[in-house]
Amino acid sequence: GDSVTQMEGPVTLSEEAFLTINCTYTATGYPSLFWYVQYPGEGLQLLLKATKADDKGSNKGFEATYRKETTSFHLEKGSVQVSDSAVYFCALKELRDTGRRALTFGSGTRLQVQP
Amino acid sequence: EAGVAQSPRYKIIEKRQSVAFWCNPISGHATLYWYQQILGQGPKLLIQFQNNGVVDDSQLPKDRFSAERLKGVDSTLKIQPAKLEDSAVYLCASSAPSPPNSPLHFGNGTRLTVT
Repeated sequence: GDSVTQMEGPVTLSEEAFLTINCTYTATGYPSLFWYVQYPGEGLQLLLKATKADDKGSNKGFEATYRKETTSFHLEKGSVQVSDSAVYFCALKELRDTGRRALTFGSGTRLQVQP
Repeated sequence: EAGVAQSPRYKIIEKRQSVAFWCNPISGHATLYWYQQILGQGPKLLIQFQNNGVVDDSQLPKDRFSAERLKGVDSTLKIQPAKLEDSAVYLCASSAPSPPNSPLHFGNGTRLTVT
């Protein structure tokens, strides 16, 4: 079945450091890939997405490129801020003939940015 | 646009009691999902509705969990009787009917504590 594997956290960085959170996936077809973010006390929010190979999703300075050859969708940001402290979830959505449209999530990576 | 609404925000019950959660999706979103998020883990799909029909409930513990979406709009998730391991955040999400890879929009969730 579909699965998503993320690097374990917490990831602790100083402000303005470079961020990479690794994400790899297993899927039988051609899934769409997503990064969601969960700030403390808040719900899951879509951060960015990519729907086909070599697509790059970007938002708020974060980027991720859909790499089919390595089945990866790593999240990157050039300069993190304290306000980026949150839990980040990688997820995939595979479209099935049954109509199943649900997301399969990774276990999440907590990012802590220190001033 | 108004987001996904969930209530209550918090609930504390004793084991063997029953509990119900309510969700109102974004207007026009035909697909509704219930997820369970145990502390430190990624969300896990419980059930997906398309309008008022069930598309996927393969991971719903049907001996104690039930869900309905009678008029194809709002939905209720029930647990009866609750167990200690049901302590989690229950997330409701919805997505637009097209395109098929539309992202999911999440509510803030209901945090359930079973004592």
